[in-house]
Amino acid sequence: DVKVTQSSRYLVKRTGEKVFLECVQDMDHENMFWYRQDPGLGLRLIYFSYDVKMKEKGDIPEGYSVSREKKERFSLILESASTNQTSMYLCASSLSRESYNEQFFGPGTRLTVL
Amino acid sequence: AQKITQTQPGMFVQEKEAVTLDCTYDTSDQSYGLFWYKQPSSGEMIFLIYQGSYDEQNATEGRYSLNFQKARKSANLVISASQLGDSAMYFCAMREGPELTGGGNKLTFGTGTQLKVEL
Repeated sequence: DVKVTQSSRYLVKRTGEKVFLECVQDMDHENMFWYRQDPGLGLRLIYFSYDVKMKEKGDIPEGYSVSREKKERFSLILESASTNQTSMYLCASSLSRESYNEQFFGPGTRLTVL
Repeated sequence: AQKITQTQPGMFVQEKEAVTLDCTYDTSDQSYGLFWYKQPSSGEMIFLIYQGSYDEQNATEGRYSLNFQKARKSANLVISASQLGDSAMYFCAMREGPELTGGGNKLTFGTGTQLKVEL
């Protein structure tokens, strides 16, 4: 079974802190994604990566950055956390660039910024 | 305009009945794909079913089927013989365009439909 793990289920940070959210997949997938999920808005794509050291902006990249130094690991970074970044963050991975490959999701990290 | 529209924020269905969750999409691409995911209260997203724009037959996976009407740009999920465990949030998502440089299956999600199965 594909497994996507995220470093924390719940996280509480203060405004202005630098926050790292880690995601690891164990199935040698090429693509990795970071989404945020907010009530009434569904999932919105923040960043994605299709290869090591490669990254592409999604629909809402402002206030975030990412890092992919190894194929299995994709990190989301909040350089200076703000209260409007309080949300559920979901990481996903998929096998390759072919369109029919579904994305596999991690359990999510619920981040609260005070 | 939203690319994926799910107009039913909440739905109720009796156990063992069938239920249809609506999804309409907007794209000018000829090649695209449509996905349905289930999110139980525990939070994990579970892939249910996929339909490619060139697939002539409606996709089916067990009790799930996708009613794909290309001309109407709709991709409704049909769950037959509902079970209590089907209570969850359901998301429709779309991948636009053919394989692209830089990630072939970036998805756009709808806002979801909360389904509650009752005894």
